Amino acid sequence: EPEVTQTPSHQVTQMGQEVILRCVPISNHLYFYWYRQILGQKVEFLVSFYNNEISEKSEIFDDQFSVERPDGSNFTLKIRSTKLEDSAMYFCASVSGFSGNTIYFGEGSWLTVV
Amino acid sequence: ELKVEQNPLFLSMQEGKNYTIYCNYSTTSDRLYWYRQDPGKSLESLFVLLSNGAVKQEGRLMASLDTKARLSTLHITAAVHDLSATYFCAVRASGNQFYFGTGTSLTVIP
Repeated sequence: EPEVTQTPSHQVTQMGQEVILRCVPISNHLYFYWYRQILGQKVEFLVSFYNNEISEKSEIFDDQFSVERPDGSNFTLKIRSTKLEDSAMYFCASVSGFSGNTIYFGEGSWLTVV
Repeated sequence: ELKVEQNPLFLSMQEGKNYTIYCNYSTTSDRLYWYRQDPGKSLESLFVLLSNGAVKQEGRLMASLDTKARLSTLHITAAVHDLSATYFCAVRASGNQFYFGTGTSLTVIP
């Protein structure tokens, strides 16, 4: 079973610090996503990435967030200056293509901002 | 932005009983997903529904899709404790974006 891997699984950071969350999507997939889930709440869409550029982003994905795929395999989410309200589980996901039926999610990265 | 709503948000049911979770979405979509999430864990894919009238069953769970009503249901038959989890539906919007429902937290009581 192919899988999406994420690191770190848990990170604690001080408010104002930069954080980078890493994801390795499934190798032949074309669409990549970051989602956020605040504890006990719904899964919120942050951003989608296709053909080496952002294809869509939500209102949550403001200027403090950025994504990149620097080496063709890793897909990273950077939060420039973390705030307390950024504490959440961040999920990476990938889909094989437009016709792909299955969204594969990683195990998530817990981010705690103190 | 596509809106996806589930009800109920919280469901407590006795073992052996049946119940249905509802998922409504606001605009046309060509596929609907159901996921299960255990506390602190990732999302486990349960069903993908691709067409109007689609029905899929796995064990005690059965999902259906009515694209005209923009409604999907997840029916639980003879609930057991192991089904306790949070269940999310998700809908694909244009541009291959996926939006999740509010989630239904299910607790099955012995």
